[in-house]
Amino acid sequence: GENVEQHPSTLSVQEGDSAVIKCTYSDSASNYFPWYKQELGKGPQLIIDIRSNVGEKKDQRIAVTLNKTAKHFSLHITETQPEDSAVYFCAAIPNSGYALNFGKGTSLLVTP
Amino acid sequence: EAGVAQSPRYKIIEKRQSVAFWCNPISGHATLYWYQQILGQGPKLLIQFQNNGVVDDSQLPKDRFSAERLKGVDSTLKIQPAKLEDSAVYLCASSPRTQLNTEAFFGQGTRLTVV
Repeated sequence: GENVEQHPSTLSVQEGDSAVIKCTYSDSASNYFPWYKQELGKGPQLIIDIRSNVGEKKDQRIAVTLNKTAKHFSLHITETQPEDSAVYFCAAIPNSGYALNFGKGTSLLVTP
Repeated sequence: EAGVAQSPRYKIIEKRQSVAFWCNPISGHATLYWYQQILGQGPKLLIQFQNNGVVDDSQLPKDRFSAERLKGVDSTLKIQPAKLEDSAVYLCASSPRTQLNTEAFFGQGTRLTVV
């Protein structure tokens, strides 16, 4: 089945700096790669996603890049703000099924 | 648009007891998922329904866990008997699962503590 690896597990940046979280996947047939943000006591919420026919997607301060050859994708957050502090999960949908396989998460802390 | 509703929010039980969780997905969403999220880890799929049929339950510990989605809407997840290692947040999610929209929407989860 699909195996999603996520790094780093924790990330601390100063307000205004950029944050980058990286994920790799194992199933070359995976075609959908969402990123979720989970705040304390809440369920994960989709913040951005990318499909395998696109190399990059941007939404205001958030961008995702996808390298299908290397089987990795990354989340980029620019001009970080304290409210960006949360746990971020990458995920991939394997070709053989429909459910998301999640990485282990990255705890992002943005300090003022 | 109302989100995915789950209840209860918190539950504390003793090991070997039984417990049930309830989920009401977003109206019109054909696909419903139950995920288990152990502290410090990503959500792990337990079972996926398409309408009222099971698509994937390969990671559901069937000796103690069961789930149903009668009438293809609400769903319940049951654990009987519970073990200490079942302590986790149980997340329900739903998705329209159309070709253009595969986003999964999550509920707030039920935090289960087994003592």
